[in-house]
Amino acid sequence: KQEVTQIPAALSVPEGENLVLNCSFTDSAIYNLQWFRQDPGKGLTSLLLIQSSQREQTSGRLNASLDKSSGRSTLYIAASQPGDSATYLCAHSGYSTLTFGKGTMLLVSP
Amino acid sequence: NAGVTQTPKFRILKIGQSMTLQCAQDMNHNYMYWYRQDPGMGLKLIYYSVGAGITDKGEVPNGYNVSRSTTEDFPLRLELAAPSQTSVYFCASSHHREKWEQYFGPGTRLTVT
Repeated sequence: KQEVTQIPAALSVPEGENLVLNCSFTDSAIYNLQWFRQDPGKGLTSLLLIQSSQREQTSGRLNASLDKSSGRSTLYIAASQPGDSATYLCAHSGYSTLTFGKGTMLLVSP
Repeated sequence: NAGVTQTPKFRILKIGQSMTLQCAQDMNHNYMYWYRQDPGMGLKLIYYSVGAGITDKGEVPNGYNVSRSTTEDFPLRLELAAPSQTSVYFCASSHHREKWEQYFGPGTRLTVT
């Protein structure tokens, strides 16, 4: 059974710091990996999707990498801002369905 | 495009009651999904559909039923609601032309008392 683990479960940083969120998965047969953002009481917003043939994807201050051989993905957030405070979820896709991690709750203080 | 829409936003049910959570998408996606999210947990897949008339079980299907009569709509039916079904329910859709990137609705918060 596919398992997705996210470390740390919670993270608190001062504004301006660069930070890394980690995601590991047990099934190396991966189609793509998605990173989502979830604000309290809200739905999920897709941030980045990395296909299995790619090593990384970038969007603004966000950079996500994928290492299939080690079963790991990281989400790098540069120059963090209070507006980045949210829960970040990674999800592994074996094909058309996703298996989610429990998320990392990020708090960026001014 | 409205994307993925869900109704209602909130609902309180008594134990044993039934209800249908509605989900619709206007992106012509062939795949649709239902997830539940419990506090501090990730999302767990309840059911999914690969197209009209075709549905399949996910990780936690017990206590739920689905149908897919059109490409746009994918309702989730709760029969005999139980407190264990108190959760936030999310609907999502995807298409192979978009590399199966999933788009989510805003969710339905359900409480069973």
